[in-house]
Amino acid sequence: NAGVTQTPKFQVLKTGQSMTLQCAQDMNHNSMYWYRQDPGMGLRLIYYSASEGTTDKGEVPNGYNVSRLNKREFSLRLESAAPSQTSVYFCASSETANYGYTFGSGTRLTVV
Amino acid sequence: QKEVEQNSGPLSVPEGAIASLNCTYSDRGSQSFFWYRQYSGKSPELIMFIYSNGDKEDGRFTAQLNKASQYVSLLIRDSQPSDSATYLCAVNSGGGADGLTFGKGTHLIIQP
Repeated sequence: NAGVTQTPKFQVLKTGQSMTLQCAQDMNHNSMYWYRQDPGMGLRLIYYSASEGTTDKGEVPNGYNVSRLNKREFSLRLESAAPSQTSVYFCASSETANYGYTFGSGTRLTVV
Repeated sequence: QKEVEQNSGPLSVPEGAIASLNCTYSDRGSQSFFWYRQYSGKSPELIMFIYSNGDKEDGRFTAQLNKASQYVSLLIRDSQPSDSATYLCAVNSGGGADGLTFGKGTHLIIQP
């Protein structure tokens, strides 16, 4: 049982480049989330999707876009990467937020 | 602004002793409360959740919730070196799918 799978695990981008972080879950969860984790800042919600076909902004959405492709997949896109987006990105899923999350293994992104 | 506060630590505890981790939250409407453990370079792992006032025990772990004081804690009995990690407190407000709010975490060190 894979749980939540994120790709890639590591990425280095140049300022202005674009990329998409992929996330897939095999637990039939309705809700999916993208967080970023920075030293001293903790985990901050970027976007979430309560169910297939819906997405909403979280605390720090600027510079990002998301797509809930189907119930399994939720991608995060950086259109024009900036050094401030250097971070560790975690995808998570849950049946509902009341049951807590299962996290993916994370993507460590460096923008130079 | 929903806030979850934790002492960043490090909290140093001798092996075999009780480790006590604390968390306060600002949103009085919060309904569900979670403790995650995160080893360095790894993703957060759910270890406890609690919904009602009082204590909830699971093995060596006990979560305590006091909604009147807006306070949640995690006790780890018979602490082991393998318990050394960062512990994240997370809170869900209103039961909606708008994501958990995380504290910045407490770094726990168990001294052999």
